[in-house]
Amino acid sequence: QKEVEQNSGPLSVPEGAIASLNCTYSDRGSQSFFWYRQYSGKSPELIMSIYSNGDKEDGRFTAQLNKASQYVSLFIRDSQPSDSATYLCAVNPPGSGTYKYIFGTGTRLKVLA
Amino acid sequence: DVKVTQSSRYLVKRTGEKVFLECVQDMDHENMFWYRQDPGLGLRLIYFSYDVKMKEKGDIPEGYSVSREKKERFSLILESASTNQTSMYLCASNAGTGEQYFGPGTRLTVT
Repeated sequence: QKEVEQNSGPLSVPEGAIASLNCTYSDRGSQSFFWYRQYSGKSPELIMSIYSNGDKEDGRFTAQLNKASQYVSLFIRDSQPSDSATYLCAVNPPGSGTYKYIFGTGTRLKVLA
Repeated sequence: DVKVTQSSRYLVKRTGEKVFLECVQDMDHENMFWYRQDPGLGLRLIYFSYDVKMKEKGDIPEGYSVSREKKERFSLILESASTNQTSMYLCASNAGTGEQYFGPGTRLTVT
């Protein structure tokens, strides 16, 4: 079983819709979770981090964490064609300080105009 | 504004050559990382450093070494490049909060 799993996609949504991206992780003690966006040919850029159960909102982005079920989700409201990218989930396993992050292989999102 | 720079965007080297990839950050971050990214495998950690002259192996250190002589600079060295080291190499740094900031990447081709 992979430590961090994401559906590779592509996930296609119409412009203006809500895009829902999911990530599951295997290590129950994980404490820190991150979402990155990566445009084709570019490097990952941080969207947001989440550390506590529940929702965290930042502009059109909402991260949702459920430690009991071991998943973290990212919702993008009012999706725009410029949101088309690969979204990477990263998890900081317990006992690794701030030195180790397990990345999923990413979900490719396509927002259709 | 956070900035991580890498010495080259594209590099082509021959098998057996020694290759240096350099990374500089201007955020005074303690931690720096080198990853490689390959299709279907995602980002994999090669080495990281938590202080000047301190380094730790990541998940795939074989064939690589690193150097951190100054806080802002972290170098990745391929002692003898091989074709299976053709990849995108990404440098990142963080201040200990876990949020990583990536450089633009170096696409290395070994022929």
